[in-house]
Amino acid sequence: SAVISQKPSRDICQRGTSLTIQCQVDSQVTMMFWYRQQPGQSLTLIATANQGSEATYESGFVIDKFPISRPNLTFSTLTVSNMSPEDSSIYLCSVVWGSNQPQHFGDGTRLSIL
Amino acid sequence: QKEVEQNSGPLSVPEGAIASLNCTYSDRGSQSFFWYRQYSGKSPELIMFIYSNGDKEDGRFTAQLNKASQYVSLLIRDSQPSDSATYLCAVNQRGTALIFGKGTTLSVSS
Repeated sequence: SAVISQKPSRDICQRGTSLTIQCQVDSQVTMMFWYRQQPGQSLTLIATANQGSEATYESGFVIDKFPISRPNLTFSTLTVSNMSPEDSSIYLCSVVWGSNQPQHFGDGTRLSIL
Repeated sequence: QKEVEQNSGPLSVPEGAIASLNCTYSDRGSQSFFWYRQYSGKSPELIMFIYSNGDKEDGRFTAQLNKASQYVSLLIRDSQPSDSATYLCAVNQRGTALIFGKGTTLSVSS
C-alpha cells in the first residue's frame, strides 16, 4: 500500500522559532491537506495545499503563521511560524489518491513549544 | 456553519457485544461519509466509508447512512478490547476537505 511519510515525527521547540513539517507520498495524489489536532480535541483543517499555487486557508488560519508549499504532486510542507505554547499540537497531513476516494493520514508531527 | 456531532462517550461495552456509534451532520450537501479510528498517540486510520443510503458491511464493521435524517452510524460486531479507541466521524462534499466530529471514545472490557 502507498506510504505517507511525515517528518519530523515530534519536536520540542522554543517560543518565537519556526518549524517546517514535511509530507512526502510515494505516489502522486490529487489533493493534500493539513490538519491540526490540539490536545484532547478532534481534527481541524488548517488549509488545502494546492499544487503550484497558494494554499487555501480555513477561517482562523493565515499564511503568515502557517505558510504551506506544494511544489509537486507528492510533496508538501507546512511551516509553523513564530511559535507560542498555544501552537503545541499534533499536525497531520492527509492525501487523496483519486476522485471520490477517501483521505488517508500521515503519522503526524507532535509539536511541543516551551 | 457545517457541523458534525458525535456523543463523546465513553461508550463502554463488554467483549463480544455490539458497539453502536452515531453521528449527525448539518450540511445536506454532504456526499461522502467516513469513520476513522484513532488510538491514543496515533493518527486517524480509515476503517469505513459510505456514499449511498443504506448499509455497507466490511468484516465486523457496518456503516449505515440515512441522508434524509442526516445520520450515519457505525456498528462493530463481536467487539474486542483492541477496538478500544476514539472513533471519528467525518463528512465532506467530493473533492473538499473533511469536517470531523469530536469523536466517540469506545472502551471494550474483557
